[in-house]
Amino acid sequence: DGGITQSPKYLFRKEGQNVTLSCEQNLNHDAMYWYRQDPGQGLRLIYYSQIVNDFQKGDIAEGYSVSREKKESFPLTVTSAQKNPTAFYLCASSTGTSGSSDTQYFGPGTRLTVL
Amino acid sequence: AQSVTQPDIHITVSEGASLELRCNYSYGATPYLFWYVQSPGQGLQLLLKYFSGDTLVQGIKGFEAEFKRSQSSFNLRKPSVHWSDAAEYFCAVGARDAGGTSYGKLTFGQGTILTVHP
Repeated sequence: DGGITQSPKYLFRKEGQNVTLSCEQNLNHDAMYWYRQDPGQGLRLIYYSQIVNDFQKGDIAEGYSVSREKKESFPLTVTSAQKNPTAFYLCASSTGTSGSSDTQYFGPGTRLTVL
Repeated sequence: AQSVTQPDIHITVSEGASLELRCNYSYGATPYLFWYVQSPGQGLQLLLKYFSGDTLVQGIKGFEAEFKRSQSSFNLRKPSVHWSDAAEYFCAVGARDAGGTSYGKLTFGQGTILTVHP
């Protein structure tokens, strides 16, 4: 089955630690995205990548980092600089093909809790 | 910059009743518009989308939405709600580049939680 997988489903972190959230897709999509979801605030874009080895900051990139070394993978690192990292993190992907309409499809999410 | 407003944080309906969830957007050009649904602790599932053409869009699970440019709205409707429709619903607007092509930066509304009474 084609789709987007995120791991782990639940993640606990001590203050001061960096953690990396995994996102993998087998949809052959060029573009990938990371969102943060907090209750009552909808989804906010952290980073996005439209092609391998390239990525752009979204609206709330401070305290986060990403890499895009492979088309199918877009890991997100939550660094110790992120002041309030407890949230639900969603990864998405889309074809990103120029000249066509573009639709994002989402993974199941990772819930990060800072202890 | 684009923005999306979902005026209703929480809506309660009885099973079998009709449903309308409101979405208003702000965007300088013709937008791309989406409705997604999220069950607790899950990812988002696409219900329907509007890119161009017919302003009444049909989606999955019996949902439809109508794009009204004059009102900057994209309200989601369902004629008869089922208990399994209880979830959180998100409206989103996508940007277009100068050539009219979408590029996937979406802006989401705050969501509307739907409760269905038996």
